[in-house]
Amino acid sequence: QVQLVQSGAEVKKPGASVKVSCKASGYTFTSYGISWVRQAPGQGLEWMGWISAYNGNTNYAQKLQGRVTMTTDTSTSTAYMELRSLRSDDTAVYYCARDVVVPAGAWFDPWGQGTLVTVSS
Amino acid sequence: DIQMTQSPSSLSASVGDRVTITCRASQSISSYLNWYQQKPGKAPKVLIYAASSLQSGVPSRFSGSGSGTDFTLTISSLQPEDFATYYCQQSYSTPPYTFGQGTKLEIK
Repeated sequence: QVQLVQSGAEVKKPGASVKVSCKASGYTFTSYGISWVRQAPGQGLEWMGWISAYNGNTNYAQKLQGRVTMTTDTSTSTAYMELRSLRSDDTAVYYCARDVVVPAGAWFDPWGQGTLVTVSS
Repeated sequence: DIQMTQSPSSLSASVGDRVTITCRASQSISSYLNWYQQKPGKAPKVLIYAASSLQSGVPSRFSGSGSGTDFTLTISSLQPEDFATYYCQQSYSTPPYTFGQGTKLEIK
């Protein structure tokens, strides 16, 4: 079955970087993009950006431009999200999700299980 | 960016009730609207895509409607497992694919 499995929880100090991985299985990795979404404690969903697993093209949320980098490794069907210069308000659960795109629209399915990133001194 | 506004933010209902959640876009998004369900500690799951298409495996008591700027998610007869938070999301044009703020559905 189609599945995305993310790396484990991380604890980082302010100013540090974190890199979260998302390993895909059950489908042709390069046929879909991957989006990253985060959710601060008790808050809603925030779209962070998207990467094409076909050609590596990216599109980042404006508020994260300059701090976030999304990459893929097609040899291992794995997507990565790196966030730099971490602040306390970056504490959140980070999700990867497969982009399903058809002429009628685009949606995220499935999602990874989530990775909790805690930023604390 | 397109803003998505859901109402209500929270809702109390009983098993068997019919429930409607509304989502409004800040500009027309045609039918590029999705609905997700999220249970505590779990990742979101898509219920409805393209405003009214039911995702495979999702019970038929869930339905979506609307186009342009106004959309609704309806649960025809609430079941115990439906108590969760629901998010709308627009996928019109290029990213960012913004989400609504969420509607928490609680047991009355």
